[in-house]
Amino acid sequence: EIVLTQSPTTTAASPGEKVTITCLASSSVSNMYWYQQKSGASPKLLIYSTSSLASGVPDRFSGSGSGTSYSLTINTMEAEDAATYYCQQWSSNPLTFGSGTKLEIK
Amino acid sequence: QVQLQQSGAELVKPGSSVKISCKASGYTFTSYDMHWIKQQPGNGLEWIGWIYPGNGNTKYNQKFNGKATLTADKSSSTAYMQLSSLTSEDSAVYFCARWGLGWYFDYWGQGVMVTVSS
Repeated sequence: EIVLTQSPTTTAASPGEKVTITCLASSSVSNMYWYQQKSGASPKLLIYSTSSLASGVPDRFSGSGSGTSYSLTINTMEAEDAATYYCQQWSSNPLTFGSGTKLEIK
Repeated sequence: QVQLQQSGAELVKPGSSVKISCKASGYTFTSYDMHWIKQQPGNGLEWIGWIYPGNGNTKYNQKFNGKATLTADKSSSTAYMQLSSLTSEDSAVYFCARWGLGWYFDYWGQGVMVTVSS
């Protein structure tokens, strides 16, 4: 099983600040996916195929990476971005998610 | 528009079983894999498995073999997950999610809270 380790576990950012979340895979994966989950809601796709922005997602979000290291960046933090973020892979079975990064607004 | 409507919250006793549903609308149910994901309170997401409603094919995370059984009813466009021999470790929110043609989860149900308690 590929284990995805996210860092940081929790972080806080001020409006306008840049935020980067990292996802390290225990083995190489071909692509990474990122989801945002707000409290009490279902996850929502943000980034697919490592760096492609999902429909309707603001362009302040971006993804990058390869091999075992991937990242999600929010260029300018907004209050509505406060949520928990998960990375996900399915390069090999079973499909796995990262442990999550909780992002709060300062 | 695509919608996945899940059944209501369940309170069940240890050792029993529960069957939760996910009714799909707004697309051809038989053409997309339906996945199930577990989220324990305050925890992350755990993949249970998928079913292809077109032919009933399933694939499970080995961890959930014997715990979860996925089925689908084409006539009502509804996917089901039965969880058996329930323990407190099964208390969680369970999501259904459609696996889109772009190879990602593009639509999610609202989640079903299952609480296992005597």
